[in-house]
Amino acid sequence: DIQMTQSPSSLSASVGDRVTITCRASQDISRWLVWYQQKPEKAPKSLIFGASNLESGVPSRFSGSGSGTEFTLTISSLQPEDFATYYCQHYNSYPLTFGGGTKVEIK
Amino acid sequence: EVQLVESGGGLVQPGGSLRLSCAASGFAFPSYWMGWVRQAPGKGLEWVAIIKPDGSEKNYVDSVSGRFTISRDNGKNSLYLQMNSLRAEDTAVYYCARGATRDAYFSYWGRGNLVTVSS
Repeated sequence: DIQMTQSPSSLSASVGDRVTITCRASQDISRWLVWYQQKPEKAPKSLIFGASNLESGVPSRFSGSGSGTEFTLTISSLQPEDFATYYCQHYNSYPLTFGGGTKVEIK
Repeated sequence: EVQLVESGGGLVQPGGSLRLSCAASGFAFPSYWMGWVRQAPGKGLEWVAIIKPDGSEKNYVDSVSGRFTISRDNGKNSLYLQMNSLRAEDTAVYYCARGATRDAYFSYWGRGNLVTVSS
């Protein structure tokens, strides 16, 4: 099974800050990676697919990069509505696996 | 508008069974991969199962293989998860999710349905 490791597990940031979250795969997954945002008591929402493709309707302050085993999600200027938990997930093979999540909190 | 509405959750004793349903609308259900993802209270996301549009291919996470069965009825635009031999560690919110149009990730999710396994 492919293990997905996210870091950090949590972070505190202020509105306007640039935030970067890292996701590492235990083996090469090419660009078969998606990033989700989840707010409390809500379903996850896909933000970035194919490692760097922005979903329709997602603000351009979100961006993704990487390939192979190392990936990043960047929020260029954190907004109040961005405080949430972010998950990466690979879809290279079965079983599909998620990272442990990164909780972005208000500083 | 894509809508996925789960039902069938609740409290069940260890060793018991439960069947989750997901009613889909707003898209051509027979054309999409569909799956289930769960989230234990206060924990992260865990993929459970996935099914091909025509139902001919199914895959499961090892921890539920042999106990859970994913199925679909394309005539009723519905997805199901039959859960047998339930364990305390199966306690979670179960999300129904739709595959993306061109990629194999989940682009739409239901609101989730809580399954609690406890005596």
